[in-house]
Order: sequence, then C-alpha cells, then structure tokens
Amino acid sequence: DVKVTQSSRYLVKRTGEKVFLECVQDMDHENMFWYRQDPGLGLRLIYFSYDVKMKEKGDIPEGYSVSREKKERFSLILESASTNQTSMYLCASRPQAGRVKLYNEQFFGPGTRLTVL
Amino acid sequence: GQQLNQSPQSMFIQEGEDVSMNCTSSSIFNTWLWYKQDPGEGPVLLIALYKAGELTSNGRLTAQFGITRKDSFLNISASIPSDVGIYFCAGQLGNTPLVFGKGTRLSVIA
Repeated sequence: DVKVTQSSRYLVKRTGEKVFLECVQDMDHENMFWYRQDPGLGLRLIYFSYDVKMKEKGDIPEGYSVSREKKERFSLILESASTNQTSMYLCASRPQAGRVKLYNEQFFGPGTRLTVL
Repeated sequence: GQQLNQSPQSMFIQEGEDVSMNCTSSSIFNTWLWYKQDPGEGPVLLIALYKAGELTSNGRLTAQFGITRKDSFLNISASIPSDVGIYFCAGQLGNTPLVFGKGTRLSVIA
C-alpha cells in the first residue's frame, strides 16, 4: 500500500515562530504536493515538486517555502507563522505521468492540524 | 486557481437511500478522481477514471467519466452510516496538479 506520512497530526505554535511540516512517502513517487484545507474554501495548493531539488508555486504560496532534498521527503516551512495560517495541512504524492499504468493516482497523508496562537 | 463545480454542497439522507453527486468543469480533463475524507483525516482515493464514457464500480460506489470529458458523477447505493464524510472530485490534464471540487458533505440518518 502507498503510504504518505506527516510528522505531526496536531501542532500548536506561536505567532512569529518558524514551523516545519514534514512529509514522507514510501512509494518512490516523483511528484509531491502541499495543500491547505479550510472550511468553505476546499483544498488549495501551496507548493508542489516534480523531482528532487525542484519546486513550483501553487495557488497560495505566500508565507510558505518548501524543501525537497530527498525524493521521499517534502517539507513545508512557515518562516514566520501567523494566525491566518491556522489550518489543516495535507501532503500528497503520486508517480510521474507515464511511469506506471495508474500514473494519475494521487495519495494523501493524514494531515496536520496547525494552530497558530 | 481553477476549481470544479461540485454539487450538491451537502446532503442529508436516510440510511439505505441512494446518493448521487456530480462535478462539472469548463475545461476538459483526461483523468477524474473521487476521494472521501473522514473528519480529521486526509482524503482517501475511492475511484479513478481514465477514459471518456468509462463507468467504474467499487463496491457500492459507481462513478462515470463524462463523454464530453468535462464532467463526472459518483453514485453510492444503499447508504450506510459509515458513508458519512466529505466527497471530493478532482480532475487532471497531463502531469499538472489536480483541480478539486469544494466537496459534498454527506450525512446519513440511521
């Protein structure tokens, strides 16, 4: 089974702190994604990566950065956390298009509920 | 960013009833995916569709890839309490990021 794990299920941080959210997948997937989910707004893409050392901005990258030093790990960084970054953060991964038959199946981690006080 | 039009936003149904929800888009996709999310958890993939007109089942769930490639529906037959959750559709073209609907919140009354 594909497994996407996230370092914390719940996290409470203070305004101004630097926050690291870690995501690891064990299926050798090339593509990885970070989303945030808020009531009424659905899933919004923050950043994504098609390969190691690569990163692309999603729809709402402001206030965030990412790191992909190893293929299996994709980190989301909040340089200076703010209260409006309180949200559910979801990591996802999928194989590169064309590599395997079911190339478009994307799998999610369990989520990290971040509260910034 | 683009979002899909998913309806209904929420549904309250009696246990045993059938459920239908759909997604439409102004753009074509070559893949449609349906996910279910339980409270406090990440979305779980239910069904993936790869061809226009394709009809695929997974237990009590049936989904179809619209012939125009701009829509998809999900049906759940004989609903049970554990069907409660939020159902998301997602569309994809090539290797681009998924485009999601805002979800259908399903409540089942026993």
